[in-house]
Amino acid sequence: EVQLVESGGGLVTPGGSLRLSCAASGFTFSDWSMSWVRQAPGKGLEWVSSISSSIIYMYYADSVKGRFTISRDNAKKSLCLQMNSLRAEDTAVYYCAFSGRYGVYWGQGTLVTVSS
Amino acid sequence: EIVLTQSPGTLSLSPGERATLSCRASQSVSSSYLAWYQQKPGQAPRLLIYGASSRATGIPDRFSGSGSGTDFTLTISRLEPEDFVVYYCQQYGSSSWTFGQGTKVEIK
Repeated sequence: EVQLVESGGGLVTPGGSLRLSCAASGFTFSDWSMSWVRQAPGKGLEWVSSISSSIIYMYYADSVKGRFTISRDNAKKSLCLQMNSLRAEDTAVYYCAFSGRYGVYWGQGTLVTVSS
Repeated sequence: EIVLTQSPGTLSLSPGERATLSCRASQSVSSSYLAWYQQKPGQAPRLLIYGASSRATGIPDRFSGSGSGTDFTLTISRLEPEDFVVYYCQQYGSSSWTFGQGTKVEIK
């Protein structure tokens, strides 16, 4: 069974940093591109970043470019999102996800709150 | 960037009725990489349909998806009480995913 478990969320002050992690199991992690998607309170879904299976290509939404860095460790089956210079508008539930053979798989999310 | 526009924003129907939700893309969606989700308050999105028309594992057959290119539809044949929540479409065929703004299905 595919499982994606996010961790690392919490309360951080504006300008601060946070590192999110996603532990994957139940599939061949190194075969698939991985992504982060977020959802601000009461709002819709927003794609944040993606990384290719080979770690060669990384893509970012304009809203986070230059502040967030996506990375992965295929040996440890883990995905990370390093978030720097956090702003109030980055407050959201962050989901780890990937597009696999039978659709798009999601974790349960981790809440990031940026507030003073 | 592919922009997805969902309509209507809110759909008011009664249990047992048929719901038809639309998702229109600003450009053709690659290889029908179009998904539909249901989201209940406080929960992660639940995948209903992928590849425009394939039902995800465990999804009741009252949910069906159709369409290709730029026009896609989610149909709920007979609404059950638990179906009155929010639905999103998503394209995942490009390097940057995009989502529709959502359709809320409410009880009339």
